[in-house]
Amino acid sequence: ETGVTQTPRHLVMGMTNKKSLKCEQHLGHNAMYWYKQSAKKPLELMFVYNFKEQTENNSVPSRFSPECPNSSHLFLHLHTLQPEDSALYLCASSETATGPNTIYFGEGSWLTVV
Amino acid sequence: AQKITQTQPGMFVQEKEAVTLDCTYDTSDPSYGLFWYKQPSSGEMIFLIYQGSYDQQNATEGRYSLNFQKARKSANLVISASQLGDSAMYFCAMREGWNSGGYQKVTFGTGTKLQVIP
Repeated sequence: ETGVTQTPRHLVMGMTNKKSLKCEQHLGHNAMYWYKQSAKKPLELMFVYNFKEQTENNSVPSRFSPECPNSSHLFLHLHTLQPEDSALYLCASSETATGPNTIYFGEGSWLTVV
Repeated sequence: AQKITQTQPGMFVQEKEAVTLDCTYDTSDPSYGLFWYKQPSSGEMIFLIYQGSYDQQNATEGRYSLNFQKARKSANLVISASQLGDSAMYFCAMREGWNSGGYQKVTFGTGTKLQVIP
């Protein structure tokens, strides 16, 4: 059982749709992350939030829009995506983003863009 | 240059045998940490073990141990007494340095797919 939960686990959306991925952590952490994992590519960091403030936006296209209303919740809003955006999206958390802390991941959301 | 290199795309091991998954890293930062994660086909990335650059002893967690050779910049994962449930992708990762926002960047390798044979 993971301390980081993601919903939905699977999502299929058209290129004109708007959807959101949700992440919640139950570990009392103050940093949350979105990672993208595509086939045969290393894990790519997308966004980092530390104490609800965005500290990293790794050149992510604007069709991905993160939202962090509090330290326990993180959203990834999706709109007008492309087929190449199909991937596993992993949410993660750690005590803070600036210390020697282990990053704990959720189960991931499998996204297919058709 | 690759920050984290995992040279074995796939490995097979007999059940109950030990297996070593290779990881080499590249950093000029004296303070860094090395992690191993396991990813089953379901997708979840499961944290296994951590080694800090100043740790004197190799890290161990149950059947997992990290063979840390600092001079060679290697951090190999050793799994003893392999079980069928160990079949998964295994990722080596490194935390180092600071960006302008003070966040310590974490870099992942490309992974090794381990298959345990009954």
